[in-house]
Amino acid sequence: DAGVIQSPRHEVTEMGQEVTLRCKPISGHDYLFWYRQTMMRGLELLIYFNNNVPIDDSGMPEDRFSAKMPNASFSTLKIQPSEPRDSAVYFCASSLTSGGASTDTQYFGPGTRLTVL
Amino acid sequence: KQEVTQIPAALSVPEGENLVLNCSFTDSAIYNLQWFRQDPGKGLTSLLLIQSSQREQTSGRLNASLDKSSGRSTLYIAASQPGDSATYLCAVSTNAGKSTFGDGTTLTVKP
Repeated sequence: DAGVIQSPRHEVTEMGQEVTLRCKPISGHDYLFWYRQTMMRGLELLIYFNNNVPIDDSGMPEDRFSAKMPNASFSTLKIQPSEPRDSAVYFCASSLTSGGASTDTQYFGPGTRLTVL
Repeated sequence: KQEVTQIPAALSVPEGENLVLNCSFTDSAIYNLQWFRQDPGKGLTSLLLIQSSQREQTSGRLNASLDKSSGRSTLYIAASQPGDSATYLCAVSTNAGKSTFGDGTTLTVKP
């Protein structure tokens, strides 16, 4: 398997523009997570899905952020309008959860480095 | 709200030394605890996962322990190598989905 795939790897945009980050989880995984990492706040969970259904979006900073998972192999995180304080690395991760030690492991994508000017 | 603390924030050791990284958490009602490695500019790689019913996990030179009652976990690295230089993060899950990460310990192993 190619692992978790994220695109784009780097995104530079201007304040006010819409940004869409994309994620393809590992095939067969039933959980998908979106995280944001900054120097100031560390790694924060934004939202996670189980079987394509959003379970907890309490980490989404504000209404400018939205996430969707239209099917088991694709998810998007959208920021509209973007602001300079949204600059961060955004990670997508997936896992197969069934209670065993060999599962539940979260596999991370390489991340998207977002810069909002 | 779960809080995860990792001490020290940075650690520098000579090659070959055994070392211990620490992770503490405030809510002992956890589902599992994971240790990750992050290289500069890269994503996170899972090293070890300990279920709430387990006390430790081992993989090669790595050993992770879990003491839920005291809210602590340690990651032991034996015979450290320069290639072990990275940031190590601890993540605690209080259900099957929601994880809280520590800020990490940045390890430098000097040749």
